[in-house]
Amino acid sequence: DTGVSQNPRHKITKRGQNVTFRCDPISEHNRLYWYRQTLGQGPEFLTYFQNEAQLEKSRLLSDRFSAERPKGSFSTLEIQRTEQGDSAMYLCASRQTGDTIYFGEGSWLTVV
Amino acid sequence: AQRVTQPEKLLSVFKGAPVELKCNYSYSGSPELFWYVQYSRQRLQLLLRHISRESIKGFTADLNKGETSFHLKKPFAQEEDSAMYYCALRDTSGTYKYIFGTGTRLKVLA
Repeated sequence: DTGVSQNPRHKITKRGQNVTFRCDPISEHNRLYWYRQTLGQGPEFLTYFQNEAQLEKSRLLSDRFSAERPKGSFSTLEIQRTEQGDSAMYLCASRQTGDTIYFGEGSWLTVV
Repeated sequence: AQRVTQPEKLLSVFKGAPVELKCNYSYSGSPELFWYVQYSRQRLQLLLRHISRESIKGFTADLNKGETSFHLKKPFAQEEDSAMYYCALRDTSGTYKYIFGTGTRLKVLA
């Protein structure tokens, strides 16, 4: 499968712990997005990378959230000191210049 | 403000009946609109985009700038059309991020 890959697919963590999600985009795609989706809602934009540069961050992305794309390939999304309100599906998407975006299957986070 | 509104959370129709999933948007520039679909246990995937004016799986959508709408239509629903449908607006002013509606679950009954 050469699509967008995300792992882990599911993560259960205790409140206050840190978690990290990884996204491997489609190989030639230089643009990468993170979205968050909660039950009954559509995906909400979190942040955007063009190559290794993080060009936009949503107000949804509090200072407990950090995203990186160190070599312009895979990306990580870290949530520090998790809270129950962080429970959601975290989606990664990628695209090439001018193309449509392609989504991964998402990483489910449950904070207990 | 940029916003996409899908007023219906759930739409149930019988097989063979026409389907219309509503989508309205708010955007100050020239909009690019899309419909994404998510079948059970699958990832979100593109169904169609307004600029291509194509029909995919029998679905069509016309951009109506006067009414700021991009409703998705199909004349005869099939059971395999049952899924979550999301309308999305692409922000063409910078990062080309997509702004999604809250989605409509379509259930096609036998």
